[in-house]
Amino acid sequence: AQSVTQPDIHITVSEGASLELRCNYSYGATPYLFWYVQSPGQGLQLLLKYFSGDTLVQGIKGFEAEFKRSQSSFNLRKPSVHWSDAAEYFCAVGASTGTASKLTFGTGTRLQVTL
Amino acid sequence: AAGVIQSPRHLIKEKRETATLKCYPIPRHDTVYWYQQGPGQDPQFLISFYEKMQSDKGSIPDRFSAQQFSDYHSELNMSSLELGDSALYFCASSLFTDTQYFGPGTRLTVL
Repeated sequence: AQSVTQPDIHITVSEGASLELRCNYSYGATPYLFWYVQSPGQGLQLLLKYFSGDTLVQGIKGFEAEFKRSQSSFNLRKPSVHWSDAAEYFCAVGASTGTASKLTFGTGTRLQVTL
Repeated sequence: AAGVIQSPRHLIKEKRETATLKCYPIPRHDTVYWYQQGPGQDPQFLISFYEKMQSDKGSIPDRFSAQQFSDYHSELNMSSLELGDSALYFCASSLFTDTQYFGPGTRLTVL
């Protein structure tokens, strides 16, 4: 069974500072990996995804993530955080059953941005 | 671009009542997923459908049932509601096993 660990429950950064959110996964095969962002009471917005190929993937809003198979990690980064980035961030791994690919989420990291 | 539509957005029910949540996937998407997110928790997979057939099942209570119709919309039926069913219910859609796009969710409150 697949699983995702996000070791940081809560992170606070200053606006303009760099950001790295950690994600470790467990999955027997090559995983499908995702980062989603959720504002309070809102839906989940896809930031970026990794299926195969280049291990450094670019997403929306200036985010990027790097897939490291040797470390079973898929950390999310942003060089300069904006106050509007404050939200809950979920890392997820997709497990294909052939006709569907359910997502298993980490417990999330809440990002607070100070001005 | 068209997104996933969920209705209603908010629903308040009493214990032991029944609720029906609806999901309209992105046009041409053939797969629908349902997730439940409790307060302060991560989304948990409930069930999925591909081409109107159930494709996978997660931690969905027996009191819940779901189906996907010929127009690809899906409904999640929840009976004998319990206080613990209060949560945000998300629907997501995809084209086969490609990226899932989530709807805004239905917030269910059971009193």
